[in-house]
Amino acid sequence: QLQLQGSGPGLVKPSETLSLTCIVSGGFISSSGYYWGWIRQPPGKGLEWIGTIYYSGSTFYNPSLKSRITVSVDTSKNQFSLKLSSVTAADTAVYYCARHGTDGYNHPVGPDYWGQGTLVTVSS
Amino acid sequence: QSVLTQPPSASGTPGQRVTISCSGSSSNIGINYVYWYQQVPGTAPKLLIYGNNQRPSGVPDRFSGSKSGTSASLAISGLRSEDEADYYCAAWDDSLSAVVFGGGTKLTVL
Repeated sequence: QLQLQGSGPGLVKPSETLSLTCIVSGGFISSSGYYWGWIRQPPGKGLEWIGTIYYSGSTFYNPSLKSRITVSVDTSKNQFSLKLSSVTAADTAVYYCARHGTDGYNHPVGPDYWGQGTLVTVSS
Repeated sequence: QSVLTQPPSASGTPGQRVTISCSGSSSNIGINYVYWYQQVPGTAPKLLIYGNNQRPSGVPDRFSGSKSGTSASLAISGLRSEDEADYYCAAWDDSLSAVVFGGGTKLTVL
């Protein structure tokens, strides 16, 4: 059974960089046909897609966050990571890592497997 | 402001059939697959429907999805108390080159 385990600091100071890692078990991150990515959910609000990466390094990012996001992959460790720079209180959220399938045009589609979520609070 | 539009709330009594709508555009729902998720507060979302109308293994057949033009719907028949949760739709958007989510619908079982 595929499992995703996200981890990272629960508290980040304003203007600093948020860094999270997701370890994949029960499957290989280098499997073809899947993107690996991040979704976040501010307290009491809805889901916001952040971005995805293919094992080859190909990425898609949310246009509204693109200037601050880096998603990377380490196939040797079967894990992928998120960096979000210049954070503010508006970036406080539960961050989910997730596996996305692909459509016929090699675009990511809705996630099928989700991690448990990591609450990140931005505060001084 | 979400790219996909859902009603903020829906409700029904046990045994009833309820539907939740998801409205998009020609760059997302109109040409791409729709996905539906169920989220019980405090837990990660769970995939209910993929590819517009396909159920993953383990999802009861009380849940069904459909799509027409630039809109999609999730139907829940034989409503149960455990169906009380938040429901989200999602799709790939060709114009944004991004996955987009609806704002979510809170389902209350009366």
